[in-house]
Amino acid sequence: LAKTTQPISMDSYEGQEVNITCSHNNIATNDYITWYQQFPSQGPRFIIQGYKTKVTNEVASLFIPADRKSSTLSLPRVSLSDTAVYYCLVGDRGTSNTGKLIFGQGTTLQVKP
Amino acid sequence: DTEVTQTPKHLVMGMTNKKSLKCEQHMGHRAMYWYKQKAKKPPELMFVYSYEKLSINESVPSRFSPECPNSSLLNLHLHALQPEDSALYLCASKVSNEQFFGPGTRLTVL
Repeated sequence: LAKTTQPISMDSYEGQEVNITCSHNNIATNDYITWYQQFPSQGPRFIIQGYKTKVTNEVASLFIPADRKSSTLSLPRVSLSDTAVYYCLVGDRGTSNTGKLIFGQGTTLQVKP
Repeated sequence: DTEVTQTPKHLVMGMTNKKSLKCEQHMGHRAMYWYKQKAKKPPELMFVYSYEKLSINESVPSRFSPECPNSSLLNLHLHALQPEDSALYLCASKVSNEQFFGPGTRLTVL
């Protein structure tokens, strides 16, 4: 499973766009990139997943360059409630039902008023 | 029903106690997982069940014993735990590309 590297922490202010970059230099051909959000004392929550180029949903965008050795999670106009830990994971999407998710250290995002 | 439930929310036990954690999902997911999370650390995978059979054991000590009685239920039996086993225990189920996590059980071992 590919190892990921993210910044340990980031600060932002309400209303700003936040970009969190994840490095995954040894990503495999069949690996997908997935981001999870976790609030204190809660389980992680799926945010977004992509394979290449750009993916957008109602909460975030994921930018993946052509070499796929990094990815950037973009959160538009953050609010205080976006303060959380954000995990970047890389792994096989899983053609079977099983598929190991190995969490990296995560990025603690602190949104200030 | 699109959630994973876990009981109890909190558990305090002594090192000689036997207790069980319960996880339930009714989304029809056939893969279920146990994770352990220490404070300010990422979740660590413990066990994976696929179609009610144990498929992955991440070298977890035998004082943790998982059980999957049916496709909706996952248990984690605890016996002779150590204080360092105190953590948040997370259950998850998976379909396709997404894992759904429960809220966790906060375990304290005295």
